[in-house]
Amino acid sequence: AQSVTQPDIHITVSEGASLELRCNYSYGATPYLFWYVQSPGQGLQLLLKYFSGDTLVQGIKGFEAEFKRSQSSFNLRKPSVHWSDAAEYFCAVGVIYNQGGKLIFGQGTELSVKP
Amino acid sequence: DAGITQSPRHKVTETGTPVTLRCHQTENHRYMYWYRQDPGHGLRLIHYSYGVKDTDKGEVSDGYSVSRSKTEDFLLTLESATSSQTSVYFCAISRVAGVSRYEQYFGPGTRLTVT
Repeated sequence: AQSVTQPDIHITVSEGASLELRCNYSYGATPYLFWYVQSPGQGLQLLLKYFSGDTLVQGIKGFEAEFKRSQSSFNLRKPSVHWSDAAEYFCAVGVIYNQGGKLIFGQGTELSVKP
Repeated sequence: DAGITQSPRHKVTETGTPVTLRCHQTENHRYMYWYRQDPGHGLRLIHYSYGVKDTDKGEVSDGYSVSRSKTEDFLLTLESATSSQTSVYFCAISRVAGVSRYEQYFGPGTRLTVT
């Protein structure tokens, strides 16, 4: 079955500390992987994407993610967190679906940043 | 910014009434999607469209219908609203070529409450 798991529902980090959000996927074909961020009351903003090639991808706002096929993972990282990074983060995998493609989302990880 | 607007942004309605949500895009994208977001579930696909008058069901389509008579507009109708349809609804678009169809951009959302 196709699925995405984000094991951490809520994470709190101190401002300036490093961050890693975990994502594991289950999909039999080549995965197309995404991270989105959602601030309260807002829509989802695409942070970064992986289609192929270099397994370390860079995104906006200083985020990066690493694709590890052997672990079926696509973890999101940031070396130094800012208070404005507090939000909910969603990992997603793009899968073939009928006439097009759809995204399957994880449950989300809420990030809190303490001063 | 993918030029997506949703209307209304907030709506409160009574059980049993029909409700229509509108998604409007300005960039002539072929694929459009409707998702609902519920706590603990991430986002789940309701319906999608791959062209004018071409639509298909997603994984949680019961109780919903869609229409797309123009490229720029994708309507989601709750035929007879129920309390279980209280949710935040997001419209998304993607470009048509190759793997880009998996890369989706989201509107600001509509918060629907069914009383």
